[in-house]
Amino acid sequence: LAKTTQPISMDSYEGQEVNITCSHNNIATNDYITWYQQFPSQGPRFIIQGYKTKVTNEVASLFIPADRKSSTLSLPRVSLSDTAVYYCLVGENYGGSQGNLIFGKGTKLSVKP
Amino acid sequence: DGGITQSPKYLFRKEGQNVTLSCEQNLNHDAMYWYRQDPGQGLRLIYYSQIVNDFQKGDIAEGYSVSREKKESFPLTVTSAQKNPTAFYLCASSITRAHPYNEQFFGPGTRLTVL
Repeated sequence: LAKTTQPISMDSYEGQEVNITCSHNNIATNDYITWYQQFPSQGPRFIIQGYKTKVTNEVASLFIPADRKSSTLSLPRVSLSDTAVYYCLVGENYGGSQGNLIFGKGTKLSVKP
Repeated sequence: DGGITQSPKYLFRKEGQNVTLSCEQNLNHDAMYWYRQDPGQGLRLIYYSQIVNDFQKGDIAEGYSVSREKKESFPLTVTSAQKNPTAFYLCASSITRAHPYNEQFFGPGTRLTVL
């Protein structure tokens, strides 16, 4: 069972910055934090991964405080096309010897015009 | 253009029939996976394969079968023994299973409906 906690849903408007926070109090020393995005009726897509401090790519930023017990996915200036479910994954989300990913419910982000 | 493809996107089947879902990748990945997703739920692992000619059952393998005769192909057969097959099926691949934090690449999915 995944030991991450994230909001079930969030609403935003076009052009705003959206921050989705994930709590992972039991994160292990060697765990990375990964975020995936899933649009309706599509497969999930890797967005970003980090271990500590800040990671930025062309899609998003990931902020990880020093204690690593939480992380925040930041989406700058969202558009309607960013409406999707966002999943936070840490060690418990990786299926051990099977290698599979275990997705929880994720955060359903709805972007309005 | 590298990626992972699944076909068909939508599939309808009558009860009692077997049906095969296609999954192809040209990413040269060793590991491939089949997941099932039900409405509002997370992904559940059906089968996975670490290398050609080898595959292992996942958490919900009953009523399903797979083959891995080629590195790039990992077809899934939904048999008549699967009691509730209507779902969204996702195929994924990764470079290797040995490094768990490697990115998994997902196909667009096949939505199977049993009539």
